[in-house]
Amino acid sequence: EPEVTQTPSHQVTQMGQEVILRCVPISNHLYFYWYRQILGQKVEFLVSFYNNEISEKSEIFDDQFSVERPDGSNFTLKIRSTKLEDSAMYFCASRVGEDYGYTFGSGTRLTVV
Amino acid sequence: GQNIDQPTEMTATEGAIVQINCTYQTSGFNGLFWYQQHAGEAPTFLSYNVLDGLEEKGRFSSFLSRSKGYSYLLLKELQMKDSASYLCAVRDQSTGANNLFFGTGTRLTVIP
Repeated sequence: EPEVTQTPSHQVTQMGQEVILRCVPISNHLYFYWYRQILGQKVEFLVSFYNNEISEKSEIFDDQFSVERPDGSNFTLKIRSTKLEDSAMYFCASRVGEDYGYTFGSGTRLTVV
Repeated sequence: GQNIDQPTEMTATEGAIVQINCTYQTSGFNGLFWYQQHAGEAPTFLSYNVLDGLEEKGRFSSFLSRSKGYSYLLLKELQMKDSASYLCAVRDQSTGANNLFFGTGTRLTVIP
């Protein structure tokens, strides 16, 4: 069964450093998403991406965050200057179209120290 | 915006049936999803409702009433491996982006 692949599975970074979280969505999917989940809290929407541009972003997704689809397969989330409160599990998701097929990756656990 | 409510925790006995409720308020409702999430893992898709009524898939069923802004997930013949968080999520088309928004999740503990 096709999977959404995320790397790394766990990243530890110092406050103020830049991090790039990587995702490889399912190949024929057209819509891409980043979500985050702070430990013990709900899964929160960050940003959606379609047709090489952001289609919606939440209040969490401020100027410190950016997304890119640098080639035909990768979808990245960059945090420019990490803060302690950015520590969370970050999930990438994709779907093929207007059906219900949201598939989530296994996540990247980001720890900011 | 979206407002999605579900109970924080539930406990049920192995072999029993449990119903997890979810109420929602959203301006652009376009479908309700249930996901299962084991601790430290990704959400995995369980069910989807966009029309009123019951959708059955093996031991899992999900019900939707759009007029009441209400859904439930029914788990039958509970097994120990069903201990997990169950996430209610609403797809919202009000901004045109059709994004998925999650409730806080219900942590289900199955006891012998």
